[in-house]
Amino acid sequence: EAQVTQNPRYLITVTGKKLTVTCSQNMNHEYMSWYRQDPGLGLRQIYYSMNVEVTDKGDVPEGYKVSRKEKRNFPLILESPSPNQTSLYFCASTARANSPYEQYFGPGTRLTVT
Amino acid sequence: GNSVTQMEGPVTLSEEAFLTINCTYTATGYPSLFWYVQYPGEGLQLLLKATKADDKGSNKGFEATYRKETTSFHLEKGSVQVSDSAVYFCAPLLSSNFGNEKLTFGTGTRLTIIP
Repeated sequence: EAQVTQNPRYLITVTGKKLTVTCSQNMNHEYMSWYRQDPGLGLRQIYYSMNVEVTDKGDVPEGYKVSRKEKRNFPLILESPSPNQTSLYFCASTARANSPYEQYFGPGTRLTVT
Repeated sequence: GNSVTQMEGPVTLSEEAFLTINCTYTATGYPSLFWYVQYPGEGLQLLLKATKADDKGSNKGFEATYRKETTSFHLEKGSVQVSDSAVYFCAPLLSSNFGNEKLTFGTGTRLTIIP
């Protein structure tokens, strides 16, 4: 089954404790991205990747890092989480790097930073 | 600059009612337009799309027509069902400041259908 998986689905952590949210897709997609969803703000793109070893900032990259060492994986790293990063996070992928519209989304990771 | 404005929710309707969720955008040129839906506890999924003026996208009884004169892409359904309860996002494909295209999501409209 074609899918995007994220882990963990739920995470509660404390300020400053490094964490990684994993994302994996089994569709051989080139383009992957991370979004955060906040009430009243919709989805905002954090980082995206056009292909292996090619990543770039989205609209709200501060406080986040990503890597793309393999085509299927695109982890999101919070080196020193803060309470304003409490949010619902989605990973997404699409086949064509130059037409990132028909995106397949993961189920989401709800992160709480206390 | 490029932006999308979507009808604020929440919207609550009775089953079999007519639904309209408004969406307008500002952009240079004529971007492709999309509606995504998020069911409770799930990620977003593509609902329908239209890639040029006057195109009508449709899926699961929902429709939206690309209106370039009014830069709008309103979502409609003639008779909603309880299973349509979800959050709906309008998402034009807009050019970023760096020249690449990306989906720009509206704030989302939460729809609840009452039996």
